[in-house]
Amino acid sequence: NAGVTQTPKFRILKIGQSMTLQCAQDMNHNYMYWYRQDPGMGLKLIYYSVGAGITDKGEVPNGYNVSRSTTEDFPLRLELAAPSQTSVYFCASSYSGTGVRSPLHFGNGTRLTVT
Amino acid sequence: AQKITQTQPGMFVQEKEAVTLDCTYDTSDPSYGLFWYKQPSSGEMIFLIYQGSYDQQNATEGRYSLNFQKARKSANLVISASQLGDSAMYFCAMRENNNDMRFGAGTRLTVKP
Repeated sequence: NAGVTQTPKFRILKIGQSMTLQCAQDMNHNYMYWYRQDPGMGLKLIYYSVGAGITDKGEVPNGYNVSRSTTEDFPLRLELAAPSQTSVYFCASSYSGTGVRSPLHFGNGTRLTVT
Repeated sequence: AQKITQTQPGMFVQEKEAVTLDCTYDTSDPSYGLFWYKQPSSGEMIFLIYQGSYDQQNATEGRYSLNFQKARKSANLVISASQLGDSAMYFCAMRENNNDMRFGAGTRLTVKP
């Protein structure tokens, strides 16, 4: 059981480039999330999804886009990368059946550097 | 407004001693969940313990317990008998009925031998 899988693990982008961070889960979870973690800081919610075709903005959505065409996948798109997007990105998922009781299951993160 | 506040950027504890990590939260939703996660230096996020807003008893999971004081909106994590492997960042988080989960800034715990 792989859980939440993120690719790539590391990436260096030049300013202005674009990329997609991939996230897949095999636990049949309806809820999926993208967070960023700046050095020495907590996690900030970028976007989340409560099911295929449904996405919502979190605290820091600017500069990012998401889509959710399947239950399993929740890619995060960075357009026109900026140095401020240098961060570690975490994808997470959770079961929807127990509401607020469900913990998030995290992937291992993608470390992104924009230079 | 900040929903989750962790006021201790860093804490030190002697091995085998107990330590309390503070967390306060802000919500007007009567139904919510409070979570603690551990992030070791390797970077992964590890779920430790959960407390529901309607739970009458404080949650416990092995050496972890949650001191839940609903009226004061606090959910402090207590780690008993600290071990060297407990050295890590610890994050408090809250989940409300809008389904997102928000995190505090974290506390870095260092266990001294």
